[in-house]
Amino acid sequence: EAGVTQFPSHSVIEKGQTVTLRCDPISGHDNLYWYRRVMGKEIKFLLHFVKESKQDESGMPNNRFLAERTGGTYSTLKVQPAELEDSGVYFCASSQDAYEQYFGPGTRLTVT
Amino acid sequence: RKEVEQDPGPFNVPEGATVAFNCTYSNSASQSFFWYRQDCRKEPKLLMSVYSSGNEDGRFTAQLNRASQYISLLIRDSKLSDSATYLCVVNIRTSGSARQLTFGSGTQLTVLP
Repeated sequence: EAGVTQFPSHSVIEKGQTVTLRCDPISGHDNLYWYRRVMGKEIKFLLHFVKESKQDESGMPNNRFLAERTGGTYSTLKVQPAELEDSGVYFCASSQDAYEQYFGPGTRLTVT
Repeated sequence: RKEVEQDPGPFNVPEGATVAFNCTYSNSASQSFFWYRQDCRKEPKLLMSVYSSGNEDGRFTAQLNRASQYISLLIRDSKLSDSATYLCVVNIRTSGSARQLTFGSGTQLTVLP
């Protein structure tokens, strides 16, 4: 069974540009989550989808971040415009029930 | 105060040693508990869930004390391949079906030959 996949694996953009990250969850997993790790900090929750509905977006830092999950399959996370402090590793995770979450390899975002 | 506190280490132990990691959490809404391991520049991988009755998976034993809000992980007969960062993670129900994982900062383990 394929795991969670994320694209791209790395992205380097300039401040003010836009970047879109993609996550494909494990097939059949209704729950999809985004997390972020910035340098030197622990992994932090961003938001949780159940199918196409946002259940909890309390961790989204500000309105420069937009997450979508049209059709309840893959999800995108757009950062527009990117700022220096957005640099970090963005992880996506999925789960079948509400408990055990499985992580993708992450997208390493560098904003210069 | 962090919601999940772990000793950052590093723990450097010889092969075959037994090592224990501890973790405390502060949010009483925490519903489920996990240990993840993370290798350098990789994603967190679920190692095991943690139950109040305690649970064992081979060389790994996890325990949960809800009254003390304390979680532990014991690794017996350490192998070189156990070298990684071990993340204490709690799953918090925020509302309805909404869930989020809260991570500790991790404990770094190096098993030496």
